Amino acid sequence: DGGITQSPKYLFRKEGQNVTLSCEQNLNHDAMYWYRQDPGQGLRLIYYSQIVNDFQKGDIAEGYSVSREKKESFPLTVTSAQKNPTAFYLCASSSTGGFGDTQYFGPGTRLTVL
Amino acid sequence: AQSVAQPEDQVNVAEGNPLTVKCTYSVSGNPYLFWYVQYPNRGLQFLLKYITGDNLVKGSYGFEAEFNKSQTSFHLKKPSALVSDSALYFCAVRDNGATNKLIFGTGTLLAVQP
Repeated sequence: DGGITQSPKYLFRKEGQNVTLSCEQNLNHDAMYWYRQDPGQGLRLIYYSQIVNDFQKGDIAEGYSVSREKKESFPLTVTSAQKNPTAFYLCASSSTGGFGDTQYFGPGTRLTVL
Repeated sequence: AQSVAQPEDQVNVAEGNPLTVKCTYSVSGNPYLFWYVQYPNRGLQFLLKYITGDNLVKGSYGFEAEFNKSQTSFHLKKPSALVSDSALYFCAVRDNGATNKLIFGTGTLLAVQP
């Protein structure tokens, strides 16, 4: 987990609210990623960014938004359009985004919709 | 379609015995394979990866993995299990298409009994 921080650790959201999950890295990595983890389903990619001011949708981007204004930061907003947002959210980063790059993960944020 | 399969939801092993966690993959082109470990309510920790070269890859905490191209497998192994190895293990393959992501298996829970 070292070098990548996520906050908060736990987050509770009411129906209809937007919430933003923070991800910061001090590894000087170019590429950053957001994954969602649900029990028994592994991890699925939400969004990724290979460079500042650029990002691409992953497999399950609907109901989520991101920004990449700084190299070290990649916040994820879970909007009210996301129908089932309760999950464990993991941020990752890698050096260049190349095929052999290792992705390193943060400690995660557990989001619960009340 | 590219995919990863972890055929066992859970593996039970006695402390001191060798352990194997199985992984098979399906990918077009050269496979880039990874193993991660996750402890409860934590992020994923990188264990090892196969990019090219020697089929036996050594990683962190005494783990190793054997790449077998003919069987499209990348099984994780350790000669002598520790109780502290009990955790959730994920195999992943790098997507060789346009999406810059890791494709994860559903995970295998390793339980090491004292």
